Amino acid sequence: NAGVTQTPKFQVLKTGQSMTLQCAQDMNHEYMSWYRQDPGMGLRLIHYSVGAGITDQGEVPNGYNVSRSTTEDFPLRLLSAAPSQTSVYFCASSRIATNEQFFGPGTRLTVL
Amino acid sequence: DAKTTQPPSMDCAEGRAANLPCNHSTISGNEYVYWYRQIHSQGPQYIIHGLKNNETNEMASLIITEDRKSSTLILPHATLRDTAVYYCIVRVGNNAGNNRKLIWGLGTSLAVNP
Repeated sequence: NAGVTQTPKFQVLKTGQSMTLQCAQDMNHEYMSWYRQDPGMGLRLIHYSVGAGITDQGEVPNGYNVSRSTTEDFPLRLLSAAPSQTSVYFCASSRIATNEQFFGPGTRLTVL
Repeated sequence: DAKTTQPPSMDCAEGRAANLPCNHSTISGNEYVYWYRQIHSQGPQYIIHGLKNNETNEMASLIITEDRKSSTLILPHATLRDTAVYYCIVRVGNNAGNNRKLIWGLGTSLAVNP
């Protein structure tokens, strides 16, 4: 199993650009989520999904969209990038009846 | 979900036990204690979790006090590869749907020294 994969590993955007961070898992996990991690702060939940077709907002959803058309994929879309979205983004997945989350390697995003 | 308090940093000699404390004095009866770690620049990694009984797996042991207000993660024989930030989190229930309320603090930065 590849586990949780994320692409790209690094990305630089200009303010106002849009892009999609990709996340995929091959463990048939129902639950998937996106976090951002900023220096001096803990992980913060952006959006999550408990199954295909079902998504919900986390703690810091503004400026981000998600969709879950398949069990395997959970892309995160930045609609109009802002410097405040410079961060490291982690995708995670787990079975619904547990909190043993498996995290991807992260995407390091810089918005200029 | 209850908030946790951890020391910001700790040191441990290679080969010795690393004991990482966590205070969760406001924990509720249905909240589990979870531990994750994050090795530099990587995604967090699940270690162990428990409700009220002590737990052990191939990575670590979790000791929860009888009043459940604190816990200790024990790495029995720390190696250099255990150098990481360790996060203690409490969460209602054993269901990922409750992740929305998780509070990830800054954790404890453990340095294992040769």
